Amino acid sequence: DQQVKQNSPSLSVQEGRISILNCDYTNSMFDYFLWYKKYPAEGPTFLISISSIKDKNEDGRFTVFLNKSAKHLSLHIVPSQPGDSAVYFCAASAGYNNNDMRFGAGTRLTVKP
Amino acid sequence: GAGVSQSPSNKVTEKGKDVELRCDPISGHTALYWYRQRLGQGLEFLIYFQGNSAPDKSGLPSDRFSAERTGESVSTLTIQRTQQEDSAVYLCASSSGALYSNQPQHFGDGTRLSIL
Repeated sequence: DQQVKQNSPSLSVQEGRISILNCDYTNSMFDYFLWYKKYPAEGPTFLISISSIKDKNEDGRFTVFLNKSAKHLSLHIVPSQPGDSAVYFCAASAGYNNNDMRFGAGTRLTVKP
Repeated sequence: GAGVSQSPSNKVTEKGKDVELRCDPISGHTALYWYRQRLGQGLEFLIYFQGNSAPDKSGLPSDRFSAERTGESVSTLTIQRTQQEDSAVYLCASSSGALYSNQPQHFGDGTRLSIL
């Protein structure tokens, strides 16, 4: 069952603009959310996370927003850079056992120079 | 290095052969995970170890798949009698494994398995 969904398989933005990647989840027990970035031929690397006690977490150019009532989170990258071009995975877990982590299918972001 | 290491990085084998994939987690990480990513698809959970025990084997696709972990360290994922649909990138990840502790999983670069 797809408990974490990324409905956009791809996104293309111009360098310098904002990239917004979206993720929806169905399990109301999830309370820890992460974004991973994956380049070809490499494993996913952790990018940013957010706990359900927050609605926003910012780290440099990356900000994750969480809307618990809508079971929706988003990753904003601003300004976007060509090096941000990668596949971005959303993941979620229930905090009491964050070993049970569910991943979305990924969104391929292309940032054009 | 200090990261998760997987070997081999690439494996090509004939249908019907057995393959063994290896994962060396980050030292001290008690939790270890195996995922599969087929071409154009997301990460598919296979199995998770806490220490040397596997409390969740629900993701293993068939009884041709098995995994073990020893010494709370190295893990091997074995696929017997490989089929073409087993072709995928197999990713290993580890984390500190502490319950009630939100920690990200750290991934290796994967083993790209191609079944001819």
